[in-house]
Amino acid sequence: EVQLVESGGGLVQPGGSLRLSCAASGFTFSSYSMNWVRQAPGKGLEWVSYISSSSSTIYYADSVKGRFTISRDNAKNSLYLQMNSLRDEDTAVYYCARQGLGTGCSDYWGQGTLVTVSS
Amino acid sequence: QSVLTQPPSVSAAPGQKVTISCSGSSSNIGNNYVSWYQQLPGTAPKLLIYENNKRPSGIPDRFSGSKSGTSATLGITGLQTGDEADYYCGTWDSSLSVYWVFGGGTKLTVL
Repeated sequence: EVQLVESGGGLVQPGGSLRLSCAASGFTFSSYSMNWVRQAPGKGLEWVSYISSSSSTIYYADSVKGRFTISRDNAKNSLYLQMNSLRDEDTAVYYCARQGLGTGCSDYWGQGTLVTVSS
Repeated sequence: QSVLTQPPSVSAAPGQKVTISCSGSSSNIGNNYVSWYQQLPGTAPKLLIYENNKRPSGIPDRFSGSKSGTSATLGITGLQTGDEADYYCGTWDSSLSVYWVFGGGTKLTVL
């Protein structure tokens, strides 16, 4: 069974940093690209970042470019999101999602971890 | 506002059919596959439709997808109260860089 479990969320002050993790199991993690997607309270889904299976290709949404860094450790079956210079508008539930092979969609999602940026 | 345009809400009675539209452009829907996601209250999104019209294993055939030009449509027949959820369309966009874009979401109410 495919499982994605996010962790690392919490309360942080504006300008602070946080590192999210996503532990993957039930599939060959090193074969799949991954995404981070967030959802602000009461709002819709917003894609944050993409990383290919080998980390050779990385994309970011304009709203986080230069502040967030996506990475992965295939040996540890883990995906990460380093978030720096956090702003109020980064407050959201952050989901990691597996990119389906050749499908261009995210076929499995974690349960999410809440990040709250507030003073 | 979202790159992809969806109606904020739709409603229909149990047993009826509903469609949800998703409008984009040539840089996204026009040249890429569309996927649809269902988000039940308080839960993570779940893949409903991929590659415009394919259903993952376990998704009932009451759910269908189609695409024409720069628009896509999600159809749900035989509505059930358990279908009440937010529905999102998504696709890749390659206008200036590469982005994954979503619609703003549609709240389905089963009256």
